[in-house]
Amino acid sequence: AQKVTQAQTEISVVEKEDVTLDCVYETRDTTYYLFWYKQPPSGELVFLIRRNSFDEQNEISGRYSWNFQKSTSSFNFTITASQVVDSAVYFCALSGNQAGTALIFGKGTTLSVSS
Amino acid sequence: EPEVTQTPSHQVTQMGQEVILRCVPISNHLYFYWYRQILGQKVEFLVSFYNNEISEKSEIFDDQFSVERPDGSNFTLKIRSTKLEDSAMYFCASSEGQGVGYTFGSGTRLTVV
Repeated sequence: AQKVTQAQTEISVVEKEDVTLDCVYETRDTTYYLFWYKQPPSGELVFLIRRNSFDEQNEISGRYSWNFQKSTSSFNFTITASQVVDSAVYFCALSGNQAGTALIFGKGTTLSVSS
Repeated sequence: EPEVTQTPSHQVTQMGQEVILRCVPISNHLYFYWYRQILGQKVEFLVSFYNNEISEKSEIFDDQFSVERPDGSNFTLKIRSTKLEDSAMYFCASSEGQGVGYTFGSGTRLTVV
């Protein structure tokens, strides 16, 4: 069975601090996809990144970076120099390789950035 | 940029009533999904739909629920005889294929009173 664990329920930081959101996943598939979504207070789900299981290169996009490590089944997300607008719930998600397969979400981490 | 459109954004219904939530997926996408998020909880998969039939469904998706693609553009979720615990945000999503770019709609907040 597939499972995503986000052990951090809530994180509070002060603006300009760096923060890392943890994600650990379980799957028996050899090919799978990992995602991060942001859910701001307005409620929509905003896509941040997709990674397939064969691509272990870390990725940086502006203040965001992602560290994918198959050896530890982790796909962690770091925000550098956090800003108040980063306050949101962040979800890590996993999907298998079958067409039309479900996207399995973690429980989310609520990030609060104060000024 | 193409987007998934959901209507209505908020619906209030009385317990026991039937509701239909509507979605217009991205036009060249082949796979369609419904997800549910009870307030303050995680996003849960309900059902996926491909080639005019259900391809996968979760335990949540029982006989109370049904999906349909009544025409070439709409994708609907019907909830028969709503219960208080059906109150949640319902998200529609579509994708081109496996693991590729799930695009979510902005959701329909369903409140059952």
